[in-house]
Amino acid sequence: GAVVSQHPSRVICKSGTSVKIECRSLDFQATTMFWYRQFPKQSLMLMATSNEGSKATYEQGVEKDKFLINHASLTLSTLTVTSAHPEDSSFYICSARMDPNTGELFFGEGSRLTVL
Amino acid sequence: AQRVTQPEKLLSVFKGAPVELKCNYSYSGSPELFWYVQYSRQRLQLLLRHISRESIKGFTADLNKGETSFHLKKPFAQEEDSAMYYCALRGSGNQFYFGTGTSLTVIP
Repeated sequence: GAVVSQHPSRVICKSGTSVKIECRSLDFQATTMFWYRQFPKQSLMLMATSNEGSKATYEQGVEKDKFLINHASLTLSTLTVTSAHPEDSSFYICSARMDPNTGELFFGEGSRLTVL
Repeated sequence: AQRVTQPEKLLSVFKGAPVELKCNYSYSGSPELFWYVQYSRQRLQLLLRHISRESIKGFTADLNKGETSFHLKKPFAQEEDSAMYYCALRGSGNQFYFGTGTSLTVIP
């Protein structure tokens, strides 16, 4: 099956610094990737839809300048948490869609961000 | 606005018993509904989608537009079914929205 890889799986940073999380589709091209945030014992909250070669579409309430998303190629999307604060600590998960005609998403393993 | 509701956070059933995981949705258009599953220490993966009308690992789900529901059912639960189950809705903008998930435990 299709594989989506996220890196890093865990990252700890100081408050005020920026952190970049990468999401790669290893064996397929993904024109669309999705970024989710998951709080403890809660659902996946869609943050934004990342489209290759164009600006990401952010969900209501998600700060564009805070969570920078870049989808520079068909196999790579990045999420940069800028000027991170402790409240940004969370589990971030990306997913990619291989076939636009189906609803199957392939998920990365997630990235645990801890901001001190 | 779109919304996916899974009323049960935890569900426990005995092996061999029927199981039903509830999912209700709110969406103004014509939705596509999915069930995703996450087994222990694994990533989320697709279980089934309503348009396929398929049975996967003995699970089925029927889209009931009148009740805006997409409940997941299996007549005889197995231990290996223990996992976290998420109901998801695909909107017209191709975004995917997930419910809060139901943790299913099948007791031997």
